[in-house]
Amino acid sequence: AQSVSQHNHHVILSEAASLELGCNYSYGGTVNLFWYVQYPGQHLQLLLKYFSGDPLVKGIKGFEAEFIKSKFSFNLRKPSVQWSDTAEYFCAVNANYNQGGKLIFGQGTELSVKP
Amino acid sequence: EPEVTQTPSHQVTQMGQEVILRCVPISNHLYFYWYRQILGQKVEFLVSFYNNEISEKSEIFDDQFSVERPDGSNFTLKIRSTKLEDSAMYFCASMRLAGVYEQYFGPGTRLTVT
Repeated sequence: AQSVSQHNHHVILSEAASLELGCNYSYGGTVNLFWYVQYPGQHLQLLLKYFSGDPLVKGIKGFEAEFIKSKFSFNLRKPSVQWSDTAEYFCAVNANYNQGGKLIFGQGTELSVKP
Repeated sequence: EPEVTQTPSHQVTQMGQEVILRCVPISNHLYFYWYRQILGQKVEFLVSFYNNEISEKSEIFDDQFSVERPDGSNFTLKIRSTKLEDSAMYFCASMRLAGVYEQYFGPGTRLTVT
């Protein structure tokens, strides 16, 4: 069965610090990969996605993620966080063969950025 | 920008009662989903719906649950006889097409079963 693991439950950073949130998945086949963000009081929004091609993908608000197939990882990065990045971040996967199919989510990482 | 909407934002019900959670997906989307998140736990898939039928459902989605697209715009999740453990945030999502598209999520309905 597919599963997704996010390494950090809660990350606290100061503004301008660099961010890396870990995500590993378990699935033997080809996958599509996503990072969603949920700002306080708002709905899940897509930050970025990977389907194929360049394993380094860029998303909104200066976020990027790198797909490393050999490590089954899709870590999220941002060189310099802002207070407004305070949110919960979710990594998600779906099986490429079933592209209308369900997303499997990690448990989420809460990011708190101190001004 | 078009959004997925959900009503109500918060529903309180007594154990054993039926509830209907409503969603209006983005208008030109063809795939529809329900997920739930119990407090402190992962977002879990419940069911997907395409071409007026369920395409996939999880183990959670037992006989107490049903989905319907009664008209061209609404997508509903019904829980026939609620249990305490059904208390969760329920998210609706929709997707334009399969392929290189993503799912768009609604703001959620917080269901509290007392």
